[in-house]
Amino acid sequence: SAVISQKPSRDICQRGTSLTIQCQVDSQVTMMFWYRQQPGQSLTLIATANQGSEATYESGFVIDKFPISRPNLTFSTLTVSNMSPEDSSIYLCSVLGLADEVQETQYFGPGTRLLVL
Amino acid sequence: QQQVKQSPQSLIVQKGGISIINCAYENTAFDYFPWYQQFPGKGPALLIAIRPDVSEKKEGRFTISFNKSAKQFSLHIMDSQPGDSATYFCAASSTSGSRLTFGEGTQLTVNP
Repeated sequence: SAVISQKPSRDICQRGTSLTIQCQVDSQVTMMFWYRQQPGQSLTLIATANQGSEATYESGFVIDKFPISRPNLTFSTLTVSNMSPEDSSIYLCSVLGLADEVQETQYFGPGTRLLVL
Repeated sequence: QQQVKQSPQSLIVQKGGISIINCAYENTAFDYFPWYQQFPGKGPALLIAIRPDVSEKKEGRFTISFNKSAKQFSLHIMDSQPGDSATYFCAASSTSGSRLTFGEGTQLTVNP
């Protein structure tokens, strides 16, 4: 499976500011995703990052709050804009990769732990 | 229906015991069922997965049992170890894993 890295690994931010999270993959992948995982909760899909076009957002998530870039097949960024304490979460990127000869599934990065004060 | 229901929310097992986590789904279009293991401070890692054409898949101490008619599947961890203490998520997808629906997660604690 692909090696996925995220930067920063954690951050503490003041409300009203923005943070950009980077996701780097060591090989080209067709699909990349961004998730939010609130403390003690499951994973919620924010959006699918599309290479060369606008991201596809899930219900409840908007581009103004979570702008996403994907300039190539190995890199994507997620920005959390105008942050509030409710944005304190783990943000995870994932990529679609082969699980076996015929099946693809998602592989996750280590996550970015964000605390907004 | 896109939900996947997972139980229990938390589970405490003694070392050497069997841990069992259950999931149920509604969407009959789901055809791939992975389990992810997440340690504190880490991202979820693919643990084991099954397709509905088999009723059981075993990898080491980890076994998935699948009941297609009941739309249920479960993870069994045999000879549970303290190192297995983590949060486990079941998931389901219908097309090549491109969109995963996750269960709520089970926090497993294995006491020494």
